[in-house]
Amino acid sequence: EVQLVESGGGLVQPGGSLRLSCAASGFTLSNYWMWWLRQTPGKGLEWVANIKPDGSKTLYVDSVRGRFTISRDNGKNSLYLQMNSLRPEDTAMYYCVKDGGLTWGQGTLVTVSS
Amino acid sequence: DVVMTQSPLSLPVTLGQPASVSCRSSQSLVHNDGNTYLNWFQQRPGQSPRRLIYKVSNRDSGVPDRFSGSGSGTDFTLKISRVEAEDVGIYYCMQHTHWPHTFGQGTKLEIK
Repeated sequence: EVQLVESGGGLVQPGGSLRLSCAASGFTLSNYWMWWLRQTPGKGLEWVANIKPDGSKTLYVDSVRGRFTISRDNGKNSLYLQMNSLRPEDTAMYYCVKDGGLTWGQGTLVTVSS
Repeated sequence: DVVMTQSPLSLPVTLGQPASVSCRSSQSLVHNDGNTYLNWFQQRPGQSPRRLIYKVSNRDSGVPDRFSGSGSGTDFTLKISRVEAEDVGIYYCMQHTHWPHTFGQGTKLEIK
């Protein structure tokens, strides 16, 4: 069964950092682009970042570029999102998604608040 | 960025009746490779989104055939031929032809 399981969310103060992880199973991670998306009640669904199968290319939405870093370890079947300089507007449910949107994780909640 | 505009935002439907959601993009979604990367997602209450349709009109495995997608260029439609109780949720269109990928605002389907 194809599965994605996110972890690493939590409560963090503004300016702080978090590292999200996504464990993939049931498919060969190294064959796919992977995405991080986020969802808030106010802004709906928002694409955050993509990474090429071999990790050689990454893309970011303007609002996180320079603060967030997407990476992957295909040997460990894992995807990551390092989030620095967090802002209250980064508060959201974060999803790990397989290229094309067929498979989503259950999400991990990030709350940025003092 | 490509703006995706859905209508209506609220869709009350009687069980067994058809439903339709429109999605319009601010620019053509035809990719250089000739494909149109327009997907439809369903998000039931308390669940992650689930893809229903990819590349405009291709139904994912396990998706009931009462769901169908159509359209081209900048104008797309998701149709449900006969709404069932399990169809309650929010429906989103999403384009991944252009960077950044963008979503519509969502259409909330409820049973009258």
